[in-house]
Amino acid sequence: NAGVTQTPKFQVLKTGQSMTLQCAQDMNHNSMYWYRQDPGMGLRLIYYSASEGTTDKGEVPNGYNVSRLNKREFSLRLESAAPSQTSVYFCASSEGGSGPNEQFFGPGTRLTVL
Amino acid sequence: DAKTTQPPSMDCAEGRAANLPCNHSTISGNEYVYWYRQIHSQGPQYIIHGLKNNETNEMASLIITEDRKSSTLILPHATLRDTAVYYCIVRALYNFNKFYFGSGTKLNVKP
Repeated sequence: NAGVTQTPKFQVLKTGQSMTLQCAQDMNHNSMYWYRQDPGMGLRLIYYSASEGTTDKGEVPNGYNVSRLNKREFSLRLESAAPSQTSVYFCASSEGGSGPNEQFFGPGTRLTVL
Repeated sequence: DAKTTQPPSMDCAEGRAANLPCNHSTISGNEYVYWYRQIHSQGPQYIIHGLKNNETNEMASLIITEDRKSSTLILPHATLRDTAVYYCIVRALYNFNKFYFGSGTKLNVKP
């Protein structure tokens, strides 16, 4: 039982390049989330998927797109990377529905945009 | 949505109880209080949550004041491995996009 996995662990991009961050969970959770964490700050929600087939914007969605590929996988795409997107990206999942929705987090992807 | 206020840092001696305060004076009646921690640069780890009653699990205890405007996370016997940033978050059920981590409290457990 791996929990939440993220790939890649590290990535360096040049301004204007695109890339997709992958996230998968094996806990049969309904809800999945993408956060970013800038140095010395708390996490900020980029996008979330309350259930398979739905996605919604969070606090800082500009410059990102997401795809809920199936119940297990939730990807985050940067179409044209900018230095301001240099950050650590965390994926999380939770049961969803009416429960307290404790979130389980992946190990993060450290992205640098030059 | 309720936001939280936490001290930026606290020290605690190893083996002693660590009491981490959180102010959430604008909390609504349907909002839960959650605590997470983040060790080094790992992904955050869930600790505990509560609505209005005090809660305890194998990791910690959560004390919520009667008016629900503040709470305290208690680590009964802090160890060096408890050194981390602790986040207090308030959120209503179903508000998937209202999970604000804030800056948290950096707890330094010292030998």
